[in-house]
Amino acid sequence: GEDVEQSLFLSVREGDSSVINCTYTDSSSTYLYWYKQEPGAGLQLLTYIFSNMDMKQDQRLTVLLNKKDKHLSLRIADTQTGDSAIYFCAESYSISGGYNKLIFGAGTRLAVHP
Amino acid sequence: DTGVSQDPRHKITKRGQNVTFRCDPISEHNRLYWYRQTLGQGPEFLTYFQNEAQLEKSRLLSDRFSAERPKGSFSTLEIQRTEQGDSAMYLCASSPSVLSGRTYEQYFGPGTRLTVT
Repeated sequence: GEDVEQSLFLSVREGDSSVINCTYTDSSSTYLYWYKQEPGAGLQLLTYIFSNMDMKQDQRLTVLLNKKDKHLSLRIADTQTGDSAIYFCAESYSISGGYNKLIFGAGTRLAVHP
Repeated sequence: DTGVSQDPRHKITKRGQNVTFRCDPISEHNRLYWYRQTLGQGPEFLTYFQNEAQLEKSRLLSDRFSAERPKGSFSTLEIQRTEQGDSAMYLCASSPSVLSGRTYEQYFGPGTRLTVT
């Protein structure tokens, strides 16, 4: 079955790097995603990685994918207070017809302190 | 491009009442999804539309739930005879067509928070 696991909480100091980890179960997932949710808001697509890649960098964000271990991580460099939010990992579950149903983890709450 | 919009943002209703939510996807996105998010959890898939056709429904979508996308643009989600367990955030997302080469990108709206008392 499909399942995505994340640690629930991470606290970092402003200026440090944050690393949020995720494990997933569906080895046929085509894309893996990171979304950010601020209080009372919807989900913001941060970045995603195709399953045949092992790394993707986008400004302060670095995504690492270990397909063998089904492990995904998001590194945020120079973490700022504005990065405080809940971060969701998601895997895509492709249905015949070509659309992608996203399976989400429960989210990791990132707290950035001075 | 103004993003996905949802209306209302908040809805408080009494148990047993019917409610309807609206989602306007990003223009020219032909794929539309509904998800439900309960407190402390990630979103869970409810249903999917490609243009006006509803192609997939989750088992979470009981008979009291119905979704439509009559002209392939905006979508509505109706819950009949609401129950306290329906209290959640209802999120809509849209993605572009396969022809765009970016159909795997899902963009979410701000959600409608439903409270059933």
